[in-house]
Amino acid sequence: QSALPQPRSVSGSPGQSVTISCTGTSGDIGRYNHVSWYQQFPGKAPKLLIYDVTERPSGVPDRFSGSKSGNTASLTISGLRSEDEADYYCCSYARSVFFGEGTRLTVL
Amino acid sequence: QAQLVQSGDEVRKTGASVKVPCKASGYNLASDGVTWVRQAPGQGLEWMGWINPYNGNTKYAQKFQDRVSMTTDASTSTAYMELRSLRSDDTAIYYCARVFPGGSGWTSAFDLWGQGTMVTVSS
Repeated sequence: QSALPQPRSVSGSPGQSVTISCTGTSGDIGRYNHVSWYQQFPGKAPKLLIYDVTERPSGVPDRFSGSKSGNTASLTISGLRSEDEADYYCCSYARSVFFGEGTRLTVL
Repeated sequence: QAQLVQSGDEVRKTGASVKVPCKASGYNLASDGVTWVRQAPGQGLEWMGWINPYNGNTKYAQKFQDRVSMTTDASTSTAYMELRSLRSDDTAIYYCARVFPGGSGWTSAFDLWGQGTMVTVSS
């Protein structure tokens, strides 16, 4: 199994909402709730945004939310801000751990 | 304040080995798993494996099974990732990260990250 498919890029204007998808299979995202999302700025380490599909660690704004439907997990960012411009990665488990391909978010 | 501190950049020849340290402070290393993730220049994140510092149990990604070893030293609160038989495509930033203690299991998420160690492999 290779990296989980994600859109290469998404964009939105300040204040809008964007959703980033992460496509898995019935053997990973569809089977387990071990889906997490990370935000990464250039030259920086990733930051945990969402764990266990929908949960936010302390300190992560509620503008960030996670969900899952079937074999696809999604990260929604509401009320876009310029500082949200970064790369976003999903991560899932299926006998091993796999990250998504990554999505570059551009705030127009 | 909990943190993971990694060492400076490393340069190796092809065929050599590298052992990357990751020192934990502000929390008990033995309390939570440690995972290693790498990122080649301009590329995405790639999971390498995981170690339970409490008992030394490990799980490696199949891709690295034959070349990687993950260990911990409780006396120095340091985790190590050793990669052998280095190739040019092993050039990457190597991150250590803590398994999120608030999650539902060792695969749940990774909440505390080191700053990364750049490993450059050249002939």
